[in-house]
Amino acid sequence: SAVISQKPSRDICQRGTSLTIQCQVDSQVTMMFWYRQQPGQSLTLIATANQGSEATYESGFVIDKFPISRPNLTFSTLTVSNMSPEDSSIYLCSVKGGVYEQYFGPGTRLTVT
Amino acid sequence: GIQVEQSPPDLILQEGANSTLRCNFSDSVNNLQWFHQNPWGQLINLFYIPSGTKQNGRLSATTVATERYSLLYISSSQTTDSGVYFCAVHGWMETSGSRLTFGEGTQLTVNP
Repeated sequence: SAVISQKPSRDICQRGTSLTIQCQVDSQVTMMFWYRQQPGQSLTLIATANQGSEATYESGFVIDKFPISRPNLTFSTLTVSNMSPEDSSIYLCSVKGGVYEQYFGPGTRLTVT
Repeated sequence: GIQVEQSPPDLILQEGANSTLRCNFSDSVNNLQWFHQNPWGQLINLFYIPSGTKQNGRLSATTVATERYSLLYISSSQTTDSGVYFCAVHGWMETSGSRLTFGEGTQLTVNP
């Protein structure tokens, strides 16, 4: 298994501002994943972050809105830019613990006012 | 891409009751996981079960890969079992290849 921490755990932000979420893993991993969970909804993959290369974004998500950094094999950041109330969600970081099994961080609960 | 359907969407139980949650998926999978999301939003891994049956305390899961479904059994439910139960499978995403795809979840409420 993998132990994942995220910062901040929650935040309330004003529209038009940006928030950077940090994800730290206790072991080196090749791929890190960022998910969004809007209120009352399931989880949707935003992007996959590989160390040393640009993140791969899923349909409907763009780098200008959700820039991602992956400076090393244990750390990644996701920025939510120019926020609007529609960005209010839980953002979760995830890694694979084995070939396929995935583990999730505790999430960052974001409210945009 | 792969489709994942969970049923029922909502379930209300009295403490002590048993329940069965179902997950259907549209294609063959390499991985199936069950998660419990607690009221604080944290996703807890329950089972990694691409096929067969596993048990962990009051919870057990069965995946019949050839028939493309999985079942999660909760026995003698407790109020702490409340939350959302997600099934997720490794499916093919157009832009990024094989990735974990979630169902819509089952919202479980266990009343004392």
